[in-house]
Amino acid sequence: AQSVTQLDSHVSVSEGTPVLLRCNYSSSYSPSLFWYVQHPNKGLQLLLKYTSAATLVKGINGFEAEFKKSETSFHLTKPSAHMSDAAEYFCVVSAGNQFYFGTGTSLTVIP
Amino acid sequence: EAGVVQSPRYKIIEKKQPVAFWCNPISGHNTLYWYLQNLGQGPELLIRYENEEAVDDSQLPKDRFSAERLKGVDSTLKIQPAELGDSAVYLCASSLEGQSTDTQYFGPGTRLTVL
Repeated sequence: AQSVTQLDSHVSVSEGTPVLLRCNYSSSYSPSLFWYVQHPNKGLQLLLKYTSAATLVKGINGFEAEFKKSETSFHLTKPSAHMSDAAEYFCVVSAGNQFYFGTGTSLTVIP
Repeated sequence: EAGVVQSPRYKIIEKKQPVAFWCNPISGHNTLYWYLQNLGQGPELLIRYENEEAVDDSQLPKDRFSAERLKGVDSTLKIQPAELGDSAVYLCASSLEGQSTDTQYFGPGTRLTVL
């Protein structure tokens, strides 16, 4: 069985400070992992994905994530938050041709 | 290149009325997905198509929901009759082959309000 847990439902950071959004997963297979971002009234946009290649994955807008098999984690980070990063973020585990979404983390960026 | 197109973007209906949503995937994408997203939750799969075939509809409430993808391109999701609890955002996504490593590309969604 596959599942994903986003450990924080809400994260607030000040503009210019680092961002850390945490995600743990469970999978019976070798998983593919994704992070998507959803701005208000917009569609889900892919930030980055891991598919069994390099464990440190770089995505768009300065985001990156590291796949840690021993910790079953795939945390999303960014060195310096921008106001435009305020959105909902979803961690996704994919295995057996199915996507399993986390419940999302709402990121607030304080000016 | 055009992304996944959905219409309408918003729909308000009274309970017990029928409603239909339309999706046109990215050109060349064989796999199409319909998801349901409740407020404050992640999307949940309703149905997945490989070309014309519905290969996973285990989460589709078949008593009131139906879907079709007749020519293996665009798709329609229907609810009849709608209930208050169906108020949500209905998302359509597509991917190239439906493999676990494939990226799913999402449309903007249809926000349904049932009064």
